[in-house]
Amino acid sequence: NAGVTQTPKFQVLKTGQSMTLQCAQDMNHNSMYWYRQDPGMGLRLIYYSASEGTTDKGEVPNGYNVSRLNKREFSLRLESAAPSQTSVYFCASRRTSGLPLPYNEQFFGPGTRLTVL
Amino acid sequence: KNQVEQSPQSLIILEGKNCTLQCNYTVSPFSNLRWYKQDTGRGPVSLTIMTFSENTKSNGRYTATLDADTKQSSLHITASQLSDSASYICVVSANVNSGTYKYIFGTGTRLKVLA
Repeated sequence: NAGVTQTPKFQVLKTGQSMTLQCAQDMNHNSMYWYRQDPGMGLRLIYYSASEGTTDKGEVPNGYNVSRLNKREFSLRLESAAPSQTSVYFCASRRTSGLPLPYNEQFFGPGTRLTVL
Repeated sequence: KNQVEQSPQSLIILEGKNCTLQCNYTVSPFSNLRWYKQDTGRGPVSLTIMTFSENTKSNGRYTATLDADTKQSSLHITASQLSDSASYICVVSANVNSGTYKYIFGTGTRLKVLA
């Protein structure tokens, strides 16, 4: 099991460029999440997908779009990158069956470090 | 407002010493509290989880406590090792409706263990 994988690991963009961050999980989890982590702040939820075919906004969705391509894959797109989007982006997945729900933990990917110049 | 505050922000200890990290929260309705370890350049990994009715949980040299009345949790690390150098993040989840959880992350405590 690879768990949660993210590509790319590092990316540098110029203001106004677009890119898609890829995330895939092989644990057959229903829910998937995109977070950003900035210095001095806790992880903040950008978008999540409770199940295949559904997506919902999180705390900081502006400037981002997502696609739940299938049960395994959840991508995050920056249409016109801004310096304020310089951050480390984490994808996570979570099972929503089996154990009592509170015990279903989120599993995180290794992160994508994005710099927007 | 749902908030999770951690202290100290950073901590340096010598290898073999014990330490305790603190987490205070105001989250409602409370579902559970997790401690995560995040190594530099990696994603967070769960160490322990406690629900409302659990007041202590151990995972090897890590012991977490929860006081639901005072809304405080602590993570105690015994006989620290160099590999314990990492950020430790407290995450409290709120059960916003049946099966849907909101996760509130603390800013973390950065621990450095010196030889």
